[in-house]
Amino acid sequence: GAVVSQHPSWVICKSGTSVKIECRSLDFQATTMFWYRQFPKQSLMLMATSNEGSKATYEQGVEKDKFLINHASLTLSTLTVTSAHPEDSSFYICSATTGGFAPEQYFGPGTRLTVT
Amino acid sequence: GNSVTQMEGPVTLSEEAFLTINCTYTATGYPSLFWYVQYPGEGLQLLLKATKADDKGSNKGFEATYRKETTSFHLEKGSVQVSDSAVYFCALHGSGNTGKLIFGQGTTLQVKP
Repeated sequence: GAVVSQHPSWVICKSGTSVKIECRSLDFQATTMFWYRQFPKQSLMLMATSNEGSKATYEQGVEKDKFLINHASLTLSTLTVTSAHPEDSSFYICSATTGGFAPEQYFGPGTRLTVT
Repeated sequence: GNSVTQMEGPVTLSEEAFLTINCTYTATGYPSLFWYVQYPGEGLQLLLKATKADDKGSNKGFEATYRKETTSFHLEKGSVQVSDSAVYFCALHGSGNTGKLIFGQGTTLQVKP
């Protein structure tokens, strides 16, 4: 089956630093990748949609200068949290899809970010 | 706009009990409907899906039928196991090809031995 990996699985960083999270589709080419944020015991909040070779589309209320998304190839997208603050601590999940009708999204295992 | 509403949890059941998690949706056109499961500390896994009215999705003993007349996609399982303990998300993909999924708030299921 389609596998999506994320790296790192968890990271602790100091306030003011930047953190990069990678999302890879391991055995398929992903036309589109999505980045979500999940707070404890809550649902997933879509942050942005990323298509290979083009700029990401951010959801309303998501700061594009703070959450930088790069989708350099059909198998890799990165999310960089810039100048992180404690309120950015969260579980970040990516997903990937091959597109088409009723496209199935394949989710990564998530990255736990803690900003101290 | 499109939205998904799930029953609030947590749902606590004994092993071998019958499970129903309600999900209703609001959408224009003909959405596709999904159930995802999230085990502790992990990402989401697709459990089942249905792409048109009256379709029944099924997997691992779980079933859900796409009911357009009641705009519902309730998840059921005849006999739950402790290993089914997880958070279950109902989601829809609206008409149009954006690929975006709209998620319900999630329902936590706890199965006790």
